[in-house]
Amino acid sequence: QKEVEQNSGPLSVPEGAIASLNCTYSDRGSQSFFWYRQYSGKSPELIMFIYSNGDKEDGRFTAQLNKASQYVSLLIRDSQPSDSATYLCAVSRTGRRALTFGSGTRLQVQP
Amino acid sequence: DVKVTQSSRYLVKRTGEKVFLECVQDMDHENMFWYRQDPGLGLRLIYFSYDVKMKEKGDIPEGYSVSREKKERFSLILESASTNQTSMYLCASSSPYGYTFGSGTRLTVV
Repeated sequence: QKEVEQNSGPLSVPEGAIASLNCTYSDRGSQSFFWYRQYSGKSPELIMFIYSNGDKEDGRFTAQLNKASQYVSLLIRDSQPSDSATYLCAVSRTGRRALTFGSGTRLQVQP
Repeated sequence: DVKVTQSSRYLVKRTGEKVFLECVQDMDHENMFWYRQDPGLGLRLIYFSYDVKMKEKGDIPEGYSVSREKKERFSLILESASTNQTSMYLCASSSPYGYTFGSGTRLTVV
């Protein structure tokens, strides 16, 4: 079992729709969770982080964390073609200084 | 904004060469990291450093070493480059709020 799992996609949504990206993790003691966006040929950039159960909103983005079920998700409202990218989930695991990354989900927003 | 600068965007090296990848951050962060990114495998941690001269192996340290003589600079060294080290190399610096990545170095070993 991978430590951080994401569906590789591609996830295709029409412009204006809600894109829902999911991530599950295996270490129940994980504490911090991050979403990064990576455009093709570019390095990842931080979108948002979440520490506590529940929802956290930032503009069109909402991160959702459920520690009991060990999943974290990212919702993108009013998806735009410029949101087309690979989205990486990263987890801060117990006793590790470094983040563990999932392999990413490729999102395609169709005009 | 934190800036993480990687010295080379593209590199082509020959098998057996010693290769140095340099990374500099400007925010006085203690933690710095080197990852490689390959299609289908995601980001894999090579080494990280939590202070000057302090380092720890990541998940795939074989064939690599690192150097951190100054807080702002973290270097990745390929002791004898091999073709299976062809990859995108990403350096990152971290705060409690997440990583900032450099722009990456695409290394090709021929």
